[in-house]
Amino acid sequence: EIVMTQSPATLSVSPGERATLSCRASQSVSINLAWYQQKPGQAPRLLIYGASTRATGIPARFSGSGSGTDFTLTISSLQSEDFAVYFCQQYYNWPTFGQGTQVEIK
Amino acid sequence: EVQLLESGGGLVQPGGSLRLSCAASGFTFSSYAMSWVRQAPGKGLEWVSTISESGGTTYYADSVKGRFTISRDNSKNTFYLQVNSLRAEDTAVYYCAKAGTAAAALWGQGTLVTVSS
Repeated sequence: EIVMTQSPATLSVSPGERATLSCRASQSVSINLAWYQQKPGQAPRLLIYGASTRATGIPARFSGSGSGTDFTLTISSLQSEDFAVYFCQQYYNWPTFGQGTQVEIK
Repeated sequence: EVQLLESGGGLVQPGGSLRLSCAASGFTFSSYAMSWVRQAPGKGLEWVSTISESGGTTYYADSVKGRFTISRDNSKNTFYLQVNSLRAEDTAVYYCAKAGTAAAALWGQGTLVTVSS
């Protein structure tokens, strides 16, 4: 099983600031990496797939980068609706998720 | 409207069974692999099971293999997860998703399965 490790566990950011979230795979997953946003009581929402391709309807302030084992999700200017938990997921083989990064208001 | 709607969750005793359903609408259901993903309370996400477009191929997480069975009825635009021999650690919100073993762009709202005596 490929283990996905996200850091930090919690990120405190002020509205309008940039947020950078990291995700590391225990072995190479090429670019088979997705990012999701989840708010309390809601299902996950796909943000990024293929490591860097935004899903339909996702604002341009969300961007993904990386390949192999190290990946980054960047939110360029945090809006109030962006405070949530973010998960990465590899689908190089059987899908596994990171434990999540909570983005909270500073 | 493109959507997935789960049903069938509830409170069940250890060792018990449930059948979860996911009704799809707004897209050509028979053209897509479908999956179940679960999330224990306050925890992360776990991919549980996937079924191919025709239903001929199925995949399971090791944690549920031999206890859970995924199936689909393309004539009803619905797929299922039969969950047997339930354990306390199976307590979770179960989401259905429009996806093979890849990124999932469409999710249902989730159905809660609670395993407790």
